[in-house]
Amino acid sequence: NAGVTQTPKFQVLKTGQSMTLQCAQDMNHNSMYWYRQDPGMGLRLIYYSASEGTTDKGEVPNGYNVSRLNKREFSLRLESAAPSQTSVYFCASTRQSNQPQHFGDGTRLSIL
Amino acid sequence: LAKTTQPISMDSYEGQEVNITCSHNNIATNDYITWYQQFPSQGPRFIIQGYKTKVTNEVASLFIPADRKSSTLSLPRVSLSDTAVYYCLVGDIAGTALIFGKGTTLSVSS
Repeated sequence: NAGVTQTPKFQVLKTGQSMTLQCAQDMNHNSMYWYRQDPGMGLRLIYYSASEGTTDKGEVPNGYNVSRLNKREFSLRLESAAPSQTSVYFCASTRQSNQPQHFGDGTRLSIL
Repeated sequence: LAKTTQPISMDSYEGQEVNITCSHNNIATNDYITWYQQFPSQGPRFIIQGYKTKVTNEVASLFIPADRKSSTLSLPRVSLSDTAVYYCLVGDIAGTALIFGKGTTLSVSS
């Protein structure tokens, strides 16, 4: 049972570079989410996809874009990375929006 | 959006019962309450979810009073491995209003 798989696990970027974080789930879940977690902080929702073909902004969407490629995959893209985007990024999924979320182990992203 | 307030940290000893209370004064009628646990370098893990009264599973109990303005996560007989950050979330039926606060860091000592 892989659950939610995030790639890569670690990444270092230079300011201005672009990058796509990948997330895939094998639980046939409908909803998927992207969060960021900064040191000593809780998770903040960046974007979510309630179902295949739909995406919506969360609490902190600026500087990010997402693509719900299919039911399994939900990617997060940084078009022009900034040091303020240094964080740990978590992807999550759930069968229905009101059900508990299953999280991946995160992508640790540093932007210099 | 219903905002939650939890203690920043709590300390306990092995074998004790730990109760973590979360305040959510603005909880809406359709909101449910969910608790997650997070270990360092891992994603949060679901513990328990409830709407009203009491819910119990194999790892915890969740107590919700009639006014639903607060909830208490109860961990029976904690062990060192329960040292983690615990998050209380309040979300609506659509599931789009989930807000993770800073959580409660629980430290269990021997």
